[in-house]
Amino acid sequence: EVQLVESGGGLVQPGGSLRLSCVASGFTFSNYWMRWIRQAPGKGLEWVANIKPDGSEKYYVDSVKGRFTISRDNTKNSLSLQMSSLRAEDTAVYYCARDTGTFDYWGQGTPVTVSS
Amino acid sequence: ENVLTQSPGTLSLSPGERAILSCRASQSVYNNNLAWYQQKPGQAPRLLISGASSRATGIPDRFSGSGSGTDFTLTISRLESEDFAVYYCQQYGSLPRTFGQGTKLEIK
Repeated sequence: EVQLVESGGGLVQPGGSLRLSCVASGFTFSNYWMRWIRQAPGKGLEWVANIKPDGSEKYYVDSVKGRFTISRDNTKNSLSLQMSSLRAEDTAVYYCARDTGTFDYWGQGTPVTVSS
Repeated sequence: ENVLTQSPGTLSLSPGERAILSCRASQSVYNNNLAWYQQKPGQAPRLLISGASSRATGIPDRFSGSGSGTDFTLTISRLESEDFAVYYCQQYGSLPRTFGQGTKLEIK
């Protein structure tokens, strides 16, 4: 059974940092692109970043470029999102998802709140 | 980028009725690479349809997708109580992958 389990969310002040993690199981993690997708309260879905299976290519939505870094450790079946210089508009539930073009498996999400 | 516009924003129907949800793309979706997702409150989205019309594993056959080019439709033939949720379309024919803004299907 495919499982994605996120952790690391929480309350952080504007300008602060946070590191999200996603641990995968039930499939060969190193064969798949992975993606972070977020959802602001009461809003729709927005992709944040994605990463190639070997980690050699990474892409970001413009609003997080230079502030967020996606990475992966295929030896630990884990995906990470290092977030810095956080802003109120980064407040959202962050999901990791397996990226096959469609997003066929999602984690349960981890909430991030940026507020003073 | 390929902007997806879903309509209506909210659809109010009763159990047993048919639901028709629309997703229109600003550019033709390459190879009809269009997916639909269902999201219930407090849950992650779930993939329903890929390739415009192929149901994902375990999705009941009351869900069907159709369309091509720029116009796509998700039809739920006979609504059950568990179908009331928010539905999103997503295109994966071009970069960046984009989502529609969602259609809320509510009980009338």
